[in-house]
Amino acid sequence: GENVEQHPSTLSVQEGDSAVIKCTYSDSASNYFPWYKQELGKRPQLIIDIRSNVGEKKDQRIAVTLNKTAKHFSLHITETQPEDSAVYFCAASKGNNRLAFGKGNQVVVIP
Amino acid sequence: DGGITQSPKYLFRKEGQNVTLSCEQNLNHDAMYWYRQDPGQGLRLIYYSQIVNDFQKGDIAEGYSVSREKKESFPLTVTSAQKNPTAFYLCASRRQPNYGYTFGSGTRLTVV
Repeated sequence: GENVEQHPSTLSVQEGDSAVIKCTYSDSASNYFPWYKQELGKRPQLIIDIRSNVGEKKDQRIAVTLNKTAKHFSLHITETQPEDSAVYFCAASKGNNRLAFGKGNQVVVIP
Repeated sequence: DGGITQSPKYLFRKEGQNVTLSCEQNLNHDAMYWYRQDPGQGLRLIYYSQIVNDFQKGDIAEGYSVSREKKESFPLTVTSAQKNPTAFYLCASRRQPNYGYTFGSGTRLTVV
């Protein structure tokens, strides 16, 4: 089955700087890649997703890029704010298959 | 909770007891999922169901059971065979293939 890995496990950034989280996946047939944000004690919430027919997608301060050849996709957060501090999960799937999640990245934004 | 409701929010279980966690959705989603999350850990899949009256084991199904008698409901029973059930349990549903999951707000289960 699909295997998704996330790097780094913890990321600390100064407020206002950019944060980048990278995920790699194993199944070249995967075609859907969502990102979730989970604040402490809360449920994961979908923040952005990308499908394999596009290479990049932006939504305000958040962007996701996909490199199908290298089988990796990345989350970019610009102008980080304290409320961006959370655990971020990436995932991948194809068709009706279940989402395969990475283990998560803790992002800490230092004021 | 975005149309997917988990109850109770907190649950305490005595040793040797079975407990059932509720998950109800009014999103008309076919697929539903149960995940377990331990402190500082990722999401581990327990069971999932893609259609009424059908479900499959996930990666850590031992000690758990589910049913899917109605499209809206996917309850999870934590049996006494689950030796370490203390965790945060998340239910999710999915509109259709190649869409993201919508998660419920979770149930925190503690063994006392």
